[in-house]
Amino acid sequence: NAGVMQNPRHLVRRRGQEARLRCSPMKGHSHVYWYRQLPEEGLKFMVYLQKENIIDESGMPKERFSAEFPKEGPSILRIQQVVRGDSAAYFCASQTGQGEETQYFGPGTRLLVL
Amino acid sequence: SQQGEEDPQALSIQEGENATMNCSYKTSINNLQWYRQNSGRGLVHLILIRSNEREKHSGRLRVTLDTSKKSSSLLITASRAADTASYFCATGKAAGNKLTFGGGTRVLVKP
Repeated sequence: NAGVMQNPRHLVRRRGQEARLRCSPMKGHSHVYWYRQLPEEGLKFMVYLQKENIIDESGMPKERFSAEFPKEGPSILRIQQVVRGDSAAYFCASQTGQGEETQYFGPGTRLLVL
Repeated sequence: SQQGEEDPQALSIQEGENATMNCSYKTSINNLQWYRQNSGRGLVHLILIRSNEREKHSGRLRVTLDTSKKSSSLLITASRAADTASYFCATGKAAGNKLTFGGGTRVLVKP
C-alpha cells in the first residue's frame, strides 16, 4: 500500500510564475490536508478538502492560493504569481474519513522562489 | 504562546540515554499526536493519544497526556543515533479536523 505521494519533490520558480503542487492520498483515503512549513518552524494548516469539496480553508491566504481535490486525480495546491515569501515546504496529509484521527503525511514539496 | 508548544526546543543526549520532551496546548482537544521529522524529509506518525487516555506505549516510546494541565510528554527510552530528528506534537479537535502543530524539539543523539 503506497503512502501519500507528492510531486514534484522540489520546485524552483521565479517571482511571478505559477506553482502547482500535487498530492495523491493513500489508497482508500478521501480526506486531504495541506500544510506549510517554514524553515525551523512547525507546520501550519492551510486547507482541508474532501473529494470535490473544500471543507476548511481558514489557513489559506486570501489571494493567489487555491486548492482542489477533484473526483478523479490528485489534489492540487496552486500558487499564482509566486513571491519569495512563498518559499517553504508544502506537505499534504491524508486521512480515511471514517472517523480516524491519524493523518498520514507525504514527503513534501520544497518550493524555492528566486 | 501557541497551541502545541514543545519544550525544550533542542535536546542533545548520548546514545543509550532517555530523551523526554513536553508539549503544552491551550484549548480543549480530542486527540494529540506525535510526529518525527528527519532533516529535509516528511513527517512520520509516531503515536496518537486521545483525550480520555492518560498513557500510551509503542516500542521505545511512551506518551502521557494530562488534560487538566493541557500538556503531554514524549519519552524515548534507550535512544539511538537514528532517533536524531525533530519531534512535533500536534493537537486535533476531532476526527476530520485540522492539526495544530508546535514548533518542535530538535533531538540530537550522539553515538
